[in-house]
Amino acid sequence: DAGVIQSPRHEVTEMGQEVTLRCKPISGHNSLFWYRQTMMRGLELLIYFNNNVPIDDSGMPEDRFSAKMPNASFSTLKIQPSEPRDSAVYFCASSLTGGDEKLFFGSGTQLSVL
Amino acid sequence: GENVEQHPSTLSVQEGDSAVIKCTYSDSASNYFPWYKQELGKRPQLIIDIRSNVGEKKDQRIAVTLNKTAKHFSLHITETQPEDSAVYFCAASWGDKIIFGKGTRLHILP
Repeated sequence: DAGVIQSPRHEVTEMGQEVTLRCKPISGHNSLFWYRQTMMRGLELLIYFNNNVPIDDSGMPEDRFSAKMPNASFSTLKIQPSEPRDSAVYFCASSLTGGDEKLFFGSGTQLSVL
Repeated sequence: GENVEQHPSTLSVQEGDSAVIKCTYSDSASNYFPWYKQELGKRPQLIIDIRSNVGEKKDQRIAVTLNKTAKHFSLHITETQPEDSAVYFCAASWGDKIIFGKGTRLHILP
């Protein structure tokens, strides 16, 4: 298995633009997590899905952030409009059945909003 | 709400010495406590984990201890080596939700 696949690896955009981050979890994994990493706040949980259903989005910072999981092999995290303070590394992770077991992280998307 | 506190934020130890990182969690319902290592520019990877029915677990040079009464757990690395230099994250899970501490940057000094 290729592991969790994220795209793009790097994204540079201007303030106000829409940004879409993509994630393909490991085949057979039923849980998917989106995290944001910054120096100040560490790894913050934004949202997680079980069997494609969003379970907890309390970590999503604002209405500008939205996430979807239309099927078991694909998820998106969208920021619209983007702001400079959204600059961070965004990680997607998946696990077999939930948060009480090993998470497999993707390689992350480095987002820079100018 | 759920919260995980991690200390110290930075730790420097001489090569060959031991390193200890400590974490506390807020909700006694938590039952799973993993530790992840993140090397520079890489993704976090699981190095060891412990469940609430166990007080200690060891894997070669790394060990984790859990005190459920006090709601804290610790990572111990013995005989540190240069390749141990990285950021280490503790985490705790509540059901399907997993929350990370802010991380400890470990420097191994030659």
